[in-house]
Amino acid sequence: GAGVSQSPRYKVAKRGQDVALRCDPISGHVSLFWYQQALGQGPEFLTYFQNEAQLDKSGLPSDRFFAERPEGSVSTLKIQRTQQEDSAVYLCASSPASNTEAFFGQGTRLTVV
Amino acid sequence: DQQVKQNSPSLSVQEGRISILNCDYTNSMFDYFLWYKKYPAEGPTFLISISSIKDKNEDGRFTVFLNKSAKHLSLHIVPSQPGDSAVYFCAAIESPNYQLIWGAGTKLIIKP
Repeated sequence: GAGVSQSPRYKVAKRGQDVALRCDPISGHVSLFWYQQALGQGPEFLTYFQNEAQLDKSGLPSDRFFAERPEGSVSTLKIQRTQQEDSAVYLCASSPASNTEAFFGQGTRLTVV
Repeated sequence: DQQVKQNSPSLSVQEGRISILNCDYTNSMFDYFLWYKKYPAEGPTFLISISSIKDKNEDGRFTVFLNKSAKHLSLHIVPSQPGDSAVYFCAAIESPNYQLIWGAGTKLIIKP
């Protein structure tokens, strides 16, 4: 499809396990964002890429979180040694530029048990 | 401290009537506001936006009003339709930043 695609849709991880969440943005979109949404809350910013450059990672909650976009298209959000508080929906969004409306993927629901 | 607040967790409206969703913010430097709509198990979908230089923006059944002095914006949907039942998020941007600052959302239920 032509939209933002995220995989997997659902992930259950045992505490301490590493996970990798994938985002396929809309083709040609320069900007890519990752957000974390806890239950009953609005999304919270994690990190921002412009092409392959990670311009802002100020929202990453700890050094267990790592994001990359090596070729300026697909992005991966990796969480090492997952903990229960990492349980949330992780949303990826892309936009043609940084100041235009972002298109969101369906999200990956991560549950850490 | 939440910079964008949606104080109503849910709202129930009769089909055909007007739905009014409210949003308050504390940061006077916000200069662009957006409303997103979210269905269960889907990502948020952009609905309508407004720049701080305007006080109203209209798109079909959807109108957003901005009151800068009160730091308040509202989304009006008229007439409300069953397909409008969703969670509505208000978000704001402070240029030249790109981060969306989100409210917690309001669940809108349209009753037939």
